[in-house]
Amino acid sequence: QVQLVESGGGVVQSGKSLRLSCAASGFTFGRFALHWVRQAPGKGLEWVAFISSDGNTEYFADSVKGRFTVSRDNSKNTMYLQMTSVRAEDTAFYYCARDRGHDAPHFMDVWGTGTPVTVSS
Amino acid sequence: EIVLTQLPGTLSLSPGERATLSCRASQSVRSSYLAWYQQKHGQAPRLLVYGASSRATDIPDRFSGSGSGTDFTLTISRLEPEDFAVYYCQQYGNTPPLTFGQGTKVEIK
Repeated sequence: QVQLVESGGGVVQSGKSLRLSCAASGFTFGRFALHWVRQAPGKGLEWVAFISSDGNTEYFADSVKGRFTVSRDNSKNTMYLQMTSVRAEDTAFYYCARDRGHDAPHFMDVWGTGTPVTVSS
Repeated sequence: EIVLTQLPGTLSLSPGERATLSCRASQSVRSSYLAWYQQKHGQAPRLLVYGASSRATDIPDRFSGSGSGTDFTLTISRLEPEDFAVYYCQQYGNTPPLTFGQGTKVEIK
């Protein structure tokens, strides 16, 4: 079945780096754009990043712009979120989600189960 | 950036009752590009409605979306026990950024 599985979360020191992965299965990965969405403890959903199906278009929330990068390897059905210079406010559950389209942000029709990131001081 | 405000913050209702959730945008959402998601405790969000009024695959018809411009509504006609959850609206008409509302919690009265 259609599935997204995140990995790579954990405890990271403030100012350090962490890379999250999102492995997809059950659909033609290279036809869909993808997102990262996060949720701080007890808070709502915050969109983080978007990458188009071919990887040529990327968008970021202002809160992570210049610190996070997003990439994908369509041959491995995997998307990545490289987090650098992490801050306490980056502590959250990170979800990857499939966009319904391929080239511009829309809504998210498939979600992974998420991976937790905790930034420690 | 479009700010989405969801009201009320918490809705206390009994099973079988009707739930009406509001999502108001700070400016008009282009082409009614608004989605609704349901999130149960400890789970990932699930898409319910897109394009303001189109139900997603396998979503029961007791869920319905409506609205345009700046005012949108999610209605649950008769609450089932499994419907008690947090609901988020999200706009994708004026991006980036994508934005979510802060959520409405539907709790058992």
